[in-house]
Amino acid sequence: ILNVEQSPQSLHVQEGDSTNFTCSFPSSNFYALHWYRWETAKSPEALFVMTLNGDEKKKGRISATLNTKEGYSYLYIKGSQPEDSATYLCASLLGAGNQFYFGTGTSLTVIP
Amino acid sequence: ETGVTQTPRHLVMGMTNKKSLKCEQHLGHNAMYWYKQSAKKPLELMFVYNFKEQTENNSVPSRFSPECPNSSHLFLHLHTLQPEDSALYLCASSQDRALAVVRSPLHFGNGTRLTVT
Repeated sequence: ILNVEQSPQSLHVQEGDSTNFTCSFPSSNFYALHWYRWETAKSPEALFVMTLNGDEKKKGRISATLNTKEGYSYLYIKGSQPEDSATYLCASLLGAGNQFYFGTGTSLTVIP
Repeated sequence: ETGVTQTPRHLVMGMTNKKSLKCEQHLGHNAMYWYKQSAKKPLELMFVYNFKEQTENNSVPSRFSPECPNSSHLFLHLHTLQPEDSALYLCASSQDRALAVVRSPLHFGNGTRLTVT
């Protein structure tokens, strides 16, 4: 079993706070790491696709880093806003079978 | 508008019923997927089709039967399901898996919330 783990499971922050969460994955046979944002009653939406060790991606106030040698990725949100409230999923493409393995997600609630 | 449309949004069925879930994508993608999400579990891949050919079946029980008549449409036929099959079923698409899966994100539909009574 190839486990992709996310922490924390849930998070409540005040509007304006910055926050970050973690995705950890097996470092062997790594191909790619995706981050998705999933708002209630909507479909998961891709945020970042990362493939190289040391990759850093940014979209507005959200950024992500990737360490393939130690098997983790961080997602950062600067100055959280209520509209950032969602579940953030990571998925890793690991080796044979080209199957994406998803974590259980981090549920973020930003309190106005 | 996600470009991936799933119907119905909600479905309640008895254990002896036969029903089908439908997925349609207008993104020009060649790979389509069925995922299952049960409460407090990660998304689980069920089936993958690439250029209409099934390339993966993750030990899914035969009461779930996929069909992919063309690259734009994907069905999941349901027959004699169990209450534990109640879950959210998500369809996704992406570019050709062989060439672009590493850099191509998945595009998801809104899902079908299935309840088996």
